Amino acid sequence: DGGITQSPKYLFRKEGQNVTLSCEQNLNHDAMYWYRQDPGQGLRLIYYSQIVNDFQKGDIAEGYSVSREKKESFPLTVTSAQKNPTAFYLCASSRWATNQPQHFGDGTRLSIL
Amino acid sequence: QKEVEQDPGPLSVPEGAIVSLNCTYSNSAFQYFMWYRQYSRKGPELLMYTYSSGNKEDGRFTAQVDKSSKYISLFIRDSQPSDSATYLCAMSATRNYGQNFVFGPGTRLSVLP
Repeated sequence: DGGITQSPKYLFRKEGQNVTLSCEQNLNHDAMYWYRQDPGQGLRLIYYSQIVNDFQKGDIAEGYSVSREKKESFPLTVTSAQKNPTAFYLCASSRWATNQPQHFGDGTRLSIL
Repeated sequence: QKEVEQDPGPLSVPEGAIVSLNCTYSNSAFQYFMWYRQYSRKGPELLMYTYSSGNKEDGRFTAQVDKSSKYISLFIRDSQPSDSATYLCAMSATRNYGQNFVFGPGTRLSVLP
């Protein structure tokens, strides 16, 4: 079955620690995205990548970093510079064309210890 | 004013009821409209995707767009307990790529048996 796999499902971060969230897709999509979901707010875009070895900042990129070394993979690192990292993180992918709907993984919930 | 607004709910209805979920938006350039269903601790799942004004039906679900009022709706007929989830609307303007999609905060629906 084609889809998007995010891991881990739950993650805990200590103060001053960087953590990395995994996202893998087998939909053969060019574009991949990372969103943050907080209660009462719409999804907010952190980073996106339209092609391997290229990525762009979204609306709330500060304190996060990404890489795109393979088409299938788009890991997100939450750095110690992100002062309020507790949230539900969603990875999505789509064809890179106008107005293509995005398909989502099942998310990673990050909490602070 | 937020770009896309949804009543956060929770909305509770008895099994078998007709449910109306709504979004209002401020950007008249939006032409593509999506509804996602998100179960607790899961990622959003695309339900409906419509272009411009009018209705689109898929089984028990009907999406309606009224661009003159900047208002979209999702109707669920014969609602079931399995429909209990949070429903997100999303929208984009013509020739937008995925990073420009705007998501509403979601409405939480509970269908009581």
